[in-house]
Amino acid sequence: DTEVTQTPKHLVMGMTNKKSLKCEQHMGHRAMYWYKQKAKKPPELMFVYSYEKLSINESVPSRFSPECPNSSLLNLHLHALQPEDSALYLCASSQEGQVKGVQETQYFGPGTRLLVL
Amino acid sequence: AQSVSQHNHHVILSEAASLELGCNYSYGGTVNLFWYVQYPGQHLQLLLKYFSGDPLVKGIKGFEAEFIKSKFSFNLRKPSVQWSDTAEYFCAIKGRSGGYNKLIFGAGTRLAVHP
Repeated sequence: DTEVTQTPKHLVMGMTNKKSLKCEQHMGHRAMYWYKQKAKKPPELMFVYSYEKLSINESVPSRFSPECPNSSLLNLHLHALQPEDSALYLCASSQEGQVKGVQETQYFGPGTRLLVL
Repeated sequence: AQSVSQHNHHVILSEAASLELGCNYSYGGTVNLFWYVQYPGQHLQLLLKYFSGDPLVKGIKGFEAEFIKSKFSFNLRKPSVQWSDTAEYFCAIKGRSGGYNKLIFGAGTRLAVHP
C-alpha cells in the first residue's frame, strides 16, 4: 500500500482564520514532506521532517507552521494567510529522508486545495 | 546547483502517436531520477524511477525512460499514446539539502492527446 491521505480535500479561509491541514501515512515511512503547487507549476518543497524532526525549511513564511506529532502524522497549521497562498498543498512521504545510502521514492497524497479570501 | 529542465511545455498528439518528452538535469552527485504524472484533478503518481543499473527503465502504463549519463538526460517515451494519457508530466531529480533528500522538479510538460 502506497497511500498517503490528506484532509480536508478543499479549504476556504479568510485572512484572519486559523486552520490546519492534515496528512497521514501508514507505510512505516520516517520522512514526510509538505509541498506547495500553484496552478500549472511544479510542486515546490516547503518542509521536510525526518524521524519527527524538522530537517528542511525552505525559507517558508512563519504563517505556515508544520508539526509532526508522530511518524505517521504531519500537520500544517495556517494563520494569517494571504490570497497569494492559495494553492494545492501536497503531502508526501518516503523511507527516511536522509541522504545516506538509501534509494528512496516519495509518494504523494491527493492534496488539499486551499483558497484564501 | 541542482536543476531539472523539461524542454517541451505543451505537447499535442493524436492517439497512437509516439511520445518522447525531454528531461535534462544538472547535478554532480549520485543521480536518482523520477517521472511523475498528474492526471487532471488528481494527485502526483510515480510513473517510473532510475536509481542504478539498466539505464532503460520501464514504468507503469507502457511508459519507459532512458538514462543517458553522457547527455545528462532522462527522456520519457511511449510508443503509442492514448487519450487517457492526457496529463501533466514532471521529471524530478533527488537532490540534497545538508544530509537530507529533496525532490527537485522540472517545470512540467502538459500533454494533450486527441482521439
